[in-house]
Amino acid sequence: EPEVTQTPSHQVTQMGQEVILRCVPISNHLYFYWYRQILGQKVEFLVSFYNNEISEKSEIFDDQFSVERPDGSNFTLKIRSTKLEDSAMYFCASTQAGEGKRELFFGEGSRLTVL
Amino acid sequence: DAKTTQPTSMDCAEGRAANLPCNHSTISGNEYVYWYRQIHSQGPQYIIHGLKNNETNEMASLIITEDRKSSTLILPHATLRDTAVYYCIVRVRYSGNTPLVFGKGTRLSVIA
Repeated sequence: EPEVTQTPSHQVTQMGQEVILRCVPISNHLYFYWYRQILGQKVEFLVSFYNNEISEKSEIFDDQFSVERPDGSNFTLKIRSTKLEDSAMYFCASTQAGEGKRELFFGEGSRLTVL
Repeated sequence: DAKTTQPTSMDCAEGRAANLPCNHSTISGNEYVYWYRQIHSQGPQYIIHGLKNNETNEMASLIITEDRKSSTLILPHATLRDTAVYYCIVRVRYSGNTPLVFGKGTRLSVIA
């Protein structure tokens, strides 16, 4: 069964460093998402991406965050200057376009620890 | 914010049916009811969705009341691996741009 893959599974970084989290969505999917989950809290929407541009973003997704799809397969989330409060699990998700099923398929997540 | 209300936690004996309720009294006519679950810290997993008819798939059944103000997810024979947080979400279906909004869900513990 096709799946969304994310790398790295765990990254430890120092405060102020840049981090890039990578995702390979399911190949025929056209909508892409990033969510995050701080330990013990809800899964929170960050951003959605379609047709090479951001469709929606939450208030969490400030100027420190950016997304891109550089090569038609990877979908990346960049955090420019990490803060302690960016420590969380980051989940990538994708879904099909069109009239078919629209459930989201999530990856297993990337755990980011900011020290 | 999520437009659903779910119990915080439930227990279920292994092998028995797990019935997880959800209230969505403000659901609108074009909104579907979706269920996802999250096992430990893994990515959320789609379970089932429905509009007004009852639905069944290989994972679960979804029973939606006639007035659509509430629904129940049924895991017919719960196993220990079904221990997870279950999220009930209402969402317009054909809306790839509209994000899923997760609430706190119901923490289901399946007990041996």
